[in-house]
Amino acid sequence: DTGVSQNPRHKITKRGQNVTFRCDPISEHNRLYWYRQTLGQGPEFLTYFQNEAQLEKSRLLSDRFSAERPKGSFSTLEIQRTEQGDSAMYLCASSLALPFGGYTQYFGPGTRLTVL
Amino acid sequence: RKEVEQDPGPFNVPEGATVAFNCTYSNSASQSFFWYRQDCRKEPKLLMSVYSSGNEDGRFTAQLNRASQYISLLIRDSKLSDSATYLCVASGSAQGAQKLVFGQGTRLTINP
Repeated sequence: DTGVSQNPRHKITKRGQNVTFRCDPISEHNRLYWYRQTLGQGPEFLTYFQNEAQLEKSRLLSDRFSAERPKGSFSTLEIQRTEQGDSAMYLCASSLALPFGGYTQYFGPGTRLTVL
Repeated sequence: RKEVEQDPGPFNVPEGATVAFNCTYSNSASQSFFWYRQDCRKEPKLLMSVYSSGNEDGRFTAQLNRASQYISLLIRDSKLSDSATYLCVASGSAQGAQKLVFGQGTRLTINP
């Protein structure tokens, strides 16, 4: 158990519905990342935060996707008007970024989204 | 072309064998490199970082060739518990603090 938790673990929704996932990072970690993984592929970067600031967003993150980390602790990822192509495992990772190092990203168990 | 490319396998090897995985990366600005292990339906977990000087952790040896933009992983005396998908990873940050770029993964099955 790496200490990163994600909820829910599974989500089944109908096309067009909105869904929201939550990630709780390891408590002292200042960086939080979201990735998406489809079957047979490696995870793909979506976005990351340092504390509450969203520092980078992938082109994969269409305008239907929004992520927040309002208090620099937990984060939410919302997908609006879901499409079947959004079906994937959504992984959250956290790390402690320090000037001298300490950068390992620890992953949570993921939220598996199925869009019908 | 994917930024990190690996042979997806599958590799099926007998227990006790030595197995080697390779991957290549296209972004010459990449500064840090890793191997992650992912078990079926589980999250990726860091196996080891990869350095130009080569590094070893027990039965695992990783090597980076910056000139060829090539990363390798060698597993000696393979165990049944080594069966997993091995993900080659590059990062643009010297400290890996930014996004990780994953390869497709190489699936390994160790047979008794």
